[in-house]
Amino acid sequence: KQEVTQIPAALSVPEGENLVLNCSFTDSAIYNLQWFRQDPGKGLTSLLLIQSSQREQTSGRLNASLDKSSGRSTLYIAASQPGDSATYLCAVRASEAAGNKLTFGGGTRVLVKP
Amino acid sequence: DGGITQSPKYLFRKEGQNVTLSCEQNLNHDAMYWYRQDPGQGLRLIYYSQIVNDFQKGDIAEGYSVSREKKESFPLTVTSAQKNPTAFYLCASSISGGPLNEQFFGPGTRLTVL
Repeated sequence: KQEVTQIPAALSVPEGENLVLNCSFTDSAIYNLQWFRQDPGKGLTSLLLIQSSQREQTSGRLNASLDKSSGRSTLYIAASQPGDSATYLCAVRASEAAGNKLTFGGGTRVLVKP
Repeated sequence: DGGITQSPKYLFRKEGQNVTLSCEQNLNHDAMYWYRQDPGQGLRLIYYSQIVNDFQKGDIAEGYSVSREKKESFPLTVTSAQKNPTAFYLCASSISGGPLNEQFFGPGTRLTVL
């Protein structure tokens, strides 16, 4: 059974510092991996989607890497801002046979202090 | 304005009552999903539907029921058999149930049992 872990559960950094968020998964047979942002009491906003054949994806200040063989993904947020404060969730999508089922990690709650 | 709507935003239930959470999408998506989120945890899949009049159990379906009579609607009923229903419930949809298709999330419903 696929398990997804995000460590640390919470992170506090001063504004301007780079953020490094980790995600690990137990079964490397994934189709893709997705990073989401969740503001308190809100739904999820998709940030980046990395296909299993890709090593990384970039969008603005965000960069996500994927090492499928070691079961790890890292989300980098450059030059953090107070508006980046949120919970960040990673989710893996199982192989094609399992359809579009997502397995989520517990999230990392980020606080960027001005 | 396309998107996913969930209602109500907050819902209070007395023990022993059934309640129904609404999820509507105007994205013309075939697949829809219901997730449950507990404090400090990731999302867990309750039920999903890949097409009208068809749905499958997710990882934690006990105590819940769904219907999919229309493409745009996927209501979730939390029955009295669900022992610990207090949680944040998120609905999502995707173009189809295939693994390449990104899921889009609604704003969520917070259910509290009194």
